[in-house]
Amino acid sequence: SAVISQKPSRDICQRGTSLTIQCQVDSQVTMMFWYRQQPGQSLTLIATANQGSEATYESGFVIDKFPISRPNLTFSTLTVSNMSPEDSSIYLCSALSGDNYGYTFGSGTRLTVV
Amino acid sequence: GQQVMQIPQYQHVQEGEDFTTYCNSSTTLSNIQWYKQRPGGHPVFLIQLVKSGEVKKQKRLTFQFGEAKKNSSLHITATQTTDVGTYFCAGRHNTDKLIFGTGTRLQVFP
Repeated sequence: SAVISQKPSRDICQRGTSLTIQCQVDSQVTMMFWYRQQPGQSLTLIATANQGSEATYESGFVIDKFPISRPNLTFSTLTVSNMSPEDSSIYLCSALSGDNYGYTFGSGTRLTVV
Repeated sequence: GQQVMQIPQYQHVQEGEDFTTYCNSSTTLSNIQWYKQRPGGHPVFLIQLVKSGEVKKQKRLTFQFGEAKKNSSLHITATQTTDVGTYFCAGRHNTDKLIFGTGTRLQVFP
């Protein structure tokens, strides 16, 4: 199954700044997904990232706040823009992995906005 | 919108006891997946169920998909301390995106 390297693993950022999270997959994948997870809570899908087209955002998430790039089939970035303390969360990327239909996740980015 | 609820939210068991978590979707699912997330870790895929009424087993874990494809369950027999974590079901509705359930946090006391 695919292996996803995600970085940074954690960061503390000032409000009003932006942070870009990167995910590198060790194999080509058609679709990648970005999730947000508050500690102790479930995962909320932010958007689906397809190579060569704009990301598809879920209700409550907009491109200006969470711009996503997908320049090729092994890489994607999520930017959290103009951050506020409410953006403090764990952000995870994911991709469909191999033949067993399971999704592989990156190790997550723990973001704290102060 | 699509919602996937799980009960219970928390479960504390003595090692050796059984554990079950139930998953209910507000809409019919094309398939359902189960994930385990250890404390401080990321979700790890366990299994996918596709057919109505399907039952699959992985050692002490038994997964079931309801006849109406709107609910599912995970049963762990004779829990061990290594079973500690949060168990999520995640449903797919004819797309590739997963909608995660609310999760059940399992604590096992030795």
